Amino acid sequence: AQTVTQSQPEMSVQEAETVTLSCTYDTSESDYYLFWYKQPPSRQMILVIRQEAYKQQNATENRFSVNFQKAAKSFSLKISDSQLGDAAMYFCAQTSGSRLTFGEGTQLTVNP
Amino acid sequence: DSGVTQTPKHLITATGQRVTLRCSPRSGDLSVYWYQQSLDQGLQFLIQYYNGEERAKGNILERFSAQQFPDLHSELNLSSLELGDSALYFCASSVGGQPYNEQFFGPGTRLTVL
Repeated sequence: AQTVTQSQPEMSVQEAETVTLSCTYDTSESDYYLFWYKQPPSRQMILVIRQEAYKQQNATENRFSVNFQKAAKSFSLKISDSQLGDAAMYFCAQTSGSRLTFGEGTQLTVNP
Repeated sequence: DSGVTQTPKHLITATGQRVTLRCSPRSGDLSVYWYQQSLDQGLQFLIQYYNGEERAKGNILERFSAQQFPDLHSELNLSSLELGDSALYFCASSVGGQPYNEQFFGPGTRLTVL
């Protein structure tokens, strides 16, 4: 079975600082995709960034970037210049076929 | 706004009852996914439909069923409800049913079983 593990239930960061959220996954598939989703208090699931496993280059979206280590099955999210609006629950997810398997989530607090 | 709509937003019902959750995918999307988010189980995939046909099944209970209609909207039916079924139910849609197709999530339906 595919599993996704987020070992940090909670993280906090000072506004304007950088924070890294960890994620490890386990898959037997050769072609898969990895995602970070953000869930603010509104509960809406918002895609933050995606990574194709066949691409060696780490994905970047503005202040968000990933460190994808395929051999170690690690997929961490770095948030630079943290903003108050970044406060949310962050979920790491991988594709298992076409379905998404999610980690347990990391609650990020941004302190002013 | 993802373009995926779900109704109702909130649903409160009693144990043993049956409810129907509705999802309208984004215009042009053929695939619909249902996920359950609960405190105990986290976010879990339930089922996927593609153009009216069941494509994949996850941890969906036998008391639960779903379908996708010709106009591509989908319904998730939950019957013989138990307290543990209380959760946030998300619908997501994608243009195709492949892993590389981005899934867009609706706002969810909050189900409370009393």
